[in-house]
Amino acid sequence: DQQVKQNSPSLSVQEGRISILNCDYTNSMFDYFLWYKKYPAEGPTFLISISSIKDKNEDGRFTVFLNKSAKHLSLHIVPSQPGDSAVYFCAASGNNAGNMLTFGGGTRLMVKP
Amino acid sequence: KAGVTQTPRYLIKTRGQQVTLSCSPISGHRSVSWYQQTPGQGLQFLFEYFSETQRNKGNFPGRFSGRQFSNSRSEMNVSTLELGDSALYLCASSLGAGGIGYGYTFGSGTRLTVV
Repeated sequence: DQQVKQNSPSLSVQEGRISILNCDYTNSMFDYFLWYKKYPAEGPTFLISISSIKDKNEDGRFTVFLNKSAKHLSLHIVPSQPGDSAVYFCAASGNNAGNMLTFGGGTRLMVKP
Repeated sequence: KAGVTQTPRYLIKTRGQQVTLSCSPISGHRSVSWYQQTPGQGLQFLFEYFSETQRNKGNFPGRFSGRQFSNSRSEMNVSTLELGDSALYLCASSLGAGGIGYGYTFGSGTRLTVV
């Protein structure tokens, strides 16, 4: 039972355009969401997070949107750069889960020059 | 400030053997969590230790175990290795027990191959 899903395994975008990565979750107890960027054979690197009390959080080129009623979040990268090419994971944490994250399956983003 | 250090980086073991992986958290961090990444199952939570106590455990068989020492360093052990245990094992450390957001940082992982 996948509680966090990323339905697009891959996404290809032209440099300078917007990249939109999507994530859905089923567990209503999740109250904190994160996006990570990952390269092969390396650990995930934190990008941006959002608490369930907000619907938007922005950090430079990265913006995360949360739609609690739809149990959906998205990561927008504007403008996309070739260095953004990597696998992106969304992850969720619940109030009583301590330091435990539930990850989606990842989306491979390719930004073409 | 040193990051999360995992040793060894790569490991090859034979089916039936056991293996121990090590994770040294960022200085001052007291919580260490372990994850397994495989192509089929993605990133899955194994367990979390805080102040030498296991706080959370994922859905893995008893062959997977761990411990944390008084200096917050953690080890995980897998006994009776199976081919399906081949994976990238990641640990993450954080400052306290207050949940995600307290500087939750991942190491580079240990790539375990079981032959």
